[in-house]
Amino acid sequence: DSGVTQTPKHLITATGQRVTLRCSPRSGDLSVYWYQQSLDQGLQFLIQYYNGEERAKGNILERFSAQQFPDLHSELNLSSLELGDSALYFCASSPAAGGDSHTEAFFGQGTRLTVV
Amino acid sequence: AQSVTQPDIHITVSEGASLELRCNYSYGATPYLFWYVQSPGQGLQLLLKYFSGDTLVQGIKGFEAEFKRSQSSFNLRKPSVHWSDAAEYFCAVALGINYGQNFVFGPGTRLSVLP
Repeated sequence: DSGVTQTPKHLITATGQRVTLRCSPRSGDLSVYWYQQSLDQGLQFLIQYYNGEERAKGNILERFSAQQFPDLHSELNLSSLELGDSALYFCASSPAAGGDSHTEAFFGQGTRLTVV
Repeated sequence: AQSVTQPDIHITVSEGASLELRCNYSYGATPYLFWYVQSPGQGLQLLLKYFSGDTLVQGIKGFEAEFKRSQSSFNLRKPSVHWSDAAEYFCAVALGINYGQNFVFGPGTRLSVLP
């Protein structure tokens, strides 16, 4: 158990809908990362938050947004869903934000999103 | 362009045989290096990491990896593979503070183990 909790584990929704994925980081970790894993794109970095603020942005679509709350949990919002958004979405956390304080990321078990 | 490559998409070995999974990166400076394993239906578990110092690092489950700066490689090895090692293996690099410490993953190598 990595200590990172993601809910829900599975989600099935229709095209055009909006969903929210939730992530609770390990106790004490300030950084949260979101990744999308699909068969054709592999593991793609979406976005990182550090202590409530956006720190880095990757290949995140404009239809997607995220935030990190004061209690450090994070939510990834996916809207106007398309079939191609079906994927496994991972959240990871680490204590640090970058530079010499770098550490590894600990991953949750993911939320499998199926858009039908 | 900055990238992480894992040349082998799928490798099959017999149980008890040795294993080497290749990873190469293309960055201007030495990044932080990691190997993660993903079992079916599971999240990613860290096997080992390299930040600095000794270029041969030991990890969990009997894995080790060697950082070779001259070859921009960080290959994963195990002397004797067990059936439970069948999984997908991802090499990853983490960039420095200017990149917000995000992790970039290779495409993965799927390992199958024959009895």
